[in-house]
Amino acid sequence: DTAVSQTPKYLVTQMGNDKSIKCEQNLGHDTMYWYKQDSKKFLKIMFSYNNKELIINETVPNRFSPKSPDKAHLNLHINSLELGDSAVYFCASSQGGGSQPQHFGDGTRLSIL
Amino acid sequence: SQKIEQNSEALNIQEGKTATLTCNYTNYSPAYLQWYRQDPGRGPVFLLLIRENEKEKRKERLKVTFDTTLKQSLFHITASQPADSATYLCALVGGAGNNRKLIWGLGTSLAVNP
Repeated sequence: DTAVSQTPKYLVTQMGNDKSIKCEQNLGHDTMYWYKQDSKKFLKIMFSYNNKELIINETVPNRFSPKSPDKAHLNLHINSLELGDSAVYFCASSQGGGSQPQHFGDGTRLSIL
Repeated sequence: SQKIEQNSEALNIQEGKTATLTCNYTNYSPAYLQWYRQDPGRGPVFLLLIRENEKEKRKERLKVTFDTTLKQSLFHITASQPADSATYLCALVGGAGNNRKLIWGLGTSLAVNP
């Protein structure tokens, strides 16, 4: 039983396309996150949602739009993909806010051609 | 500016020895510090959380210390095994209230040789 699952695992697409990544957690947590890990392995928070409400938006370009249909799901839609968007995107969840231990999915590897 | 630094070079040790990883920070006063393990192609896995009023925390072969004066946390793995080989990330809690979030170090790669 995967606790935090992301799909797809790999995403290869052309510059300018629009793509979505889905995330689901079955831990009953109330907070979910999107992170970006770049080629230097630096992990940076993008968004966090608590009970479907946006709590943190870390100066991410408007081309990135998260959506949380319910507490267990947090999706990420990216418009007009750019070369610099190539990275691994991780979804995570926690019970309580950002100071609590977080459970991560295994990431979506996005490659822009 | 705020910084979190971990040993940038990979750490190679012999099986059975104690591995010690360092996390230094500047311009933060974190109330919590967390350590995670990340294997290639996988997401980080939570290991330990230590609060600012705790000097030390243990879990099985793992020990974490937190020195708010030195602005440093040490992460120890005793009786290391090849299966402990991974990248270890420290993360501080930054922000306040609803804006609390984890600020991550770049991680230290540990290789335990049989």
